[in-house]
Amino acid sequence: DAKTTQPTSMDCAEGRAANLPCNHSTISGNEYVYWYRQIHSQGPQYIIHGLKNNETNEMASLIITEDRKSSTLILPHATLRDTAVYYCIVRSHTGANSKLTFGKGITLSVRP
Amino acid sequence: GAVVSQHPSWVICKSGTSVKIECRSLDFQATTMFWYRQFPKQSLMLMATSNEGSKATYEQGVEKDKFLINHASLTLSTLTVTSAHPEDSSFYICSARDTGTSSFYEQYFGPGTRLTVT
Repeated sequence: DAKTTQPTSMDCAEGRAANLPCNHSTISGNEYVYWYRQIHSQGPQYIIHGLKNNETNEMASLIITEDRKSSTLILPHATLRDTAVYYCIVRSHTGANSKLTFGKGITLSVRP
Repeated sequence: GAVVSQHPSWVICKSGTSVKIECRSLDFQATTMFWYRQFPKQSLMLMATSNEGSKATYEQGVEKDKFLINHASLTLSTLTVTSAHPEDSSFYICSARDTGTSSFYEQYFGPGTRLTVT
């Protein structure tokens, strides 16, 4: 069963912020929210992860709602190279649920 | 840092032959590695979890005798597709966990190997 739901696709203009939503209403208390992306014909690339608090790194920001049932990945200034499939994954750090299980993801298209 | 390589990047083989794909963690040690398969326009599907020095754990529906996994060192895991058939044509991707640092829970992925069976 999918633990996350994401829109199928979205697009944004180059230079603008891309906000990618993810629903994970059945997330457990010990599960983290992870984001990976996959550029065409390449292996996935780790972006960011978080548990409760908002997180930011050099690639993106992750905003997690207070009830942890949804989150948003923000690419602050999208470039053409950010065109990819973005996967939102929930996982724990121990046990069977520690596996990275990929859903269908959301295809982000950045237009010039 | 945290680079995972795969070799070969692509391979074409004839039906019935076997193909070995290597996955290496270049700058870190990986007790655990993972093998995924991705068919065109589909998501990644976990095939098996490979632990250094022990037998791999296969996901349901994955034939362990067909997809042989060996994880003989902390930096190398291999996947051998035995008696390959055209339906095994796919993009095979490995992943490794860095077990030596605080980034233990991050998984780093290789660039993938495109297998075409004719």
